[in-house]
Amino acid sequence: DAGVTQSPTHLIKTRGQQVTLRCSPKSGHDTVSWYQQALGQGPQFIFQYYEEEERQRGNFPDRFSGHQFPNYSSELNVNALLLGDSALYLCASSLTSGRLGYGYTFGSGTRLTVV
Amino acid sequence: AQTVTQSQPEMSVQEAETVTLSCTYDTSENNYYLFWYKQPPSRQMILVIRQEAYKQQNATENRFSVNFQKAAKSFSLKISDSQLGDTAMYFCAFMGTSGTYKYIFGTGTRLKVLA
Repeated sequence: DAGVTQSPTHLIKTRGQQVTLRCSPKSGHDTVSWYQQALGQGPQFIFQYYEEEERQRGNFPDRFSGHQFPNYSSELNVNALLLGDSALYLCASSLTSGRLGYGYTFGSGTRLTVV
Repeated sequence: AQTVTQSQPEMSVQEAETVTLSCTYDTSENNYYLFWYKQPPSRQMILVIRQEAYKQQNATENRFSVNFQKAAKSFSLKISDSQLGDTAMYFCAFMGTSGTYKYIFGTGTRLKVLA
């Protein structure tokens, strides 16, 4: 049973550029959340997608946007990259319908370095 | 706003011994979920144990158990018979139930199991 798959695993971008990160949720899961984990910190919630709509958003600027596709996979887009966007970006999937308390399944993340 | 505090940045324990990781949180909600996640060098966040706030009984998963003190807003993780594979970052996470779907993570505790 495939878990959460993220691509790419590592990425180096130049300040000002744009980046797209991808996530395939665990089989059977319909909800995808994105988190940013800076070095030495706990993950911070960016947003969550369900039924192809952004259901909840954390305290991140509009430069961070996302999308969910009919097959439940998701993309995270970041525009006008800043040095401070360098972090590990984690995708987490779950099955809604009242099962959120059972916990999310995380991928191994994409390490983004902005130079 | 909810907060999660892990006051032990680093801990070490001898193999086969017991170690306890601390976590405190702040919330005005009466019902919520608490989690401990493990993040090894592979970067994937792995769910260790979960606790529902309305359940008085402390959760247990094999060698892992929690001490949940709701009035004190404390949620510590006890690892018994520590193994080398337990070496990782451990994150405490809170999820409310009032129309929110995000985790709030602590800053983590780096645990090293010594041979």
